[in-house]
Amino acid sequence: DAGVTQSPTHLIKTRGQQVTLRCSPISGHKSVSWYQQVLGQGPQFIFQYYEKEERGRGNFPDRFSARQFPNYSSELNVNALLLGDSALYLCASSPLGDSNQPQHFGDGTRLSIL
Amino acid sequence: GENVEQHPSTLSVQEGDSAVIKCTYSDSASNYFPWYKQELGKGPQLIIDIRSNVGEKKDQRIAVTLNKTAKHFSLHITETQPEDSAVYFCAASIGGGSYIPTFGRGTSLIVHP
Repeated sequence: DAGVTQSPTHLIKTRGQQVTLRCSPISGHKSVSWYQQVLGQGPQFIFQYYEKEERGRGNFPDRFSARQFPNYSSELNVNALLLGDSALYLCASSPLGDSNQPQHFGDGTRLSIL
Repeated sequence: GENVEQHPSTLSVQEGDSAVIKCTYSDSASNYFPWYKQELGKGPQLIIDIRSNVGEKKDQRIAVTLNKTAKHFSLHITETQPEDSAVYFCAASIGGGSYIPTFGRGTSLIVHP
């Protein structure tokens, strides 16, 4: 079975631009979460979506937004990019939206801001 | 909010030795504690998890212990192998209908052949 897939794998943008990252969950999983991982640190929670609704939001500015589609895939959008947004962006899926479900991560999108 | 501290940041062992990584958390409401292994260029992979109603869980060479009173949990790897070399992350989350985990900063485990 296919795992969590993310696209693109790498992306280079300049300050002020906008970016859209995509995630396809494991088949049958209805929850998708997004994380930002800065080099040398653990993943930091950005959003969780379950059944197309936002279930959780981390401490990120409004420049970050996301949505989930009827097929449970998801997009993360970041506007007005800053140098500090350079990071690995991870998507994780789980069957349901509660806290007792193991998260299955994709390999991420490496975003570099010049 | 929840705060998770993880130690050590780097751990170097000889093949066959045991490795222990420790995490503490601040919010007593946290009830789910997963451990992830992240290899270079890959996303984190769940290796074991424990819920607050259990004190210990074991899966082959890997075990996790939880002390709710002290608010700390530990990962134990026995008979380490070079392929165990990776960065390990602990996490803690609070239940109640959503999943908002807090991760530790990671431990880089190096197993020397």
